[in-house]
Amino acid sequence: ETGVTQTPRHLVMGMTNKKSLKCEQHLGHNAMYWYKQSAKKPLELMFVYSLEERVENNSVPSRFSPECPNSSHLFLHLHTLQPEDSALYLCASSQDSPGTLNEQFFGPGTRLTVL
Amino acid sequence: KNQVEQSPQSLIILEGKNCTLQCNYTVSPFSNLRWYKQDTGRGPVSLTIMTFSENTKSNGRYTATLDADTKQSSLHITASQLSDSASYICVVSDMRGGSNYKLTFGKGTLLTVNP
Repeated sequence: ETGVTQTPRHLVMGMTNKKSLKCEQHLGHNAMYWYKQSAKKPLELMFVYSLEERVENNSVPSRFSPECPNSSHLFLHLHTLQPEDSALYLCASSQDSPGTLNEQFFGPGTRLTVL
Repeated sequence: KNQVEQSPQSLIILEGKNCTLQCNYTVSPFSNLRWYKQDTGRGPVSLTIMTFSENTKSNGRYTATLDADTKQSSLHITASQLSDSASYICVVSDMRGGSNYKLTFGKGTLLTVNP
């Protein structure tokens, strides 16, 4: 285990639903990340939090809303998604704020299907 | 535009054989290069991280090389095992000053090791 857990592991939702993805890290890290992984495409960084403050938002549509209540937990709230949002959503954490050699530890991901 | 290109897209080898995966990048200014292994249905796991001054780094049967002049890296797997079957992702970090950085991900090479 990498020390980063994600729930649920699989999620199927309609375009009008509201759901949330949860990530928890047990490593004492200060930075957390959300990534999107679509088939045959590179990993896409969505959001970065450092010490519970959002430090990066890579032009992600507003139907994705992150929340970081403390340094151990990260949520991704989903609302009015589109079928093209179907993907594997990965959470990661690193010891310090994004920097040169900080290794990122990934969770197992949530496989999201939007109908 | 920063890019990371990996080849081949997929590779099938027999157990016990060696193989080499390639990564070419155009990221600038270069900070470090990472190789990740991603098993099906799981998050990526870090194999190696190399900075500009390092040209070889090993992690068990995995050996990564870096040529910062030609902007190329390779991952060599020795005496392959069935458990090596996975996607191998090359990630290059630029460094825009301080803790400001950006990761560029390759699409990965899907390796299948057959008995």
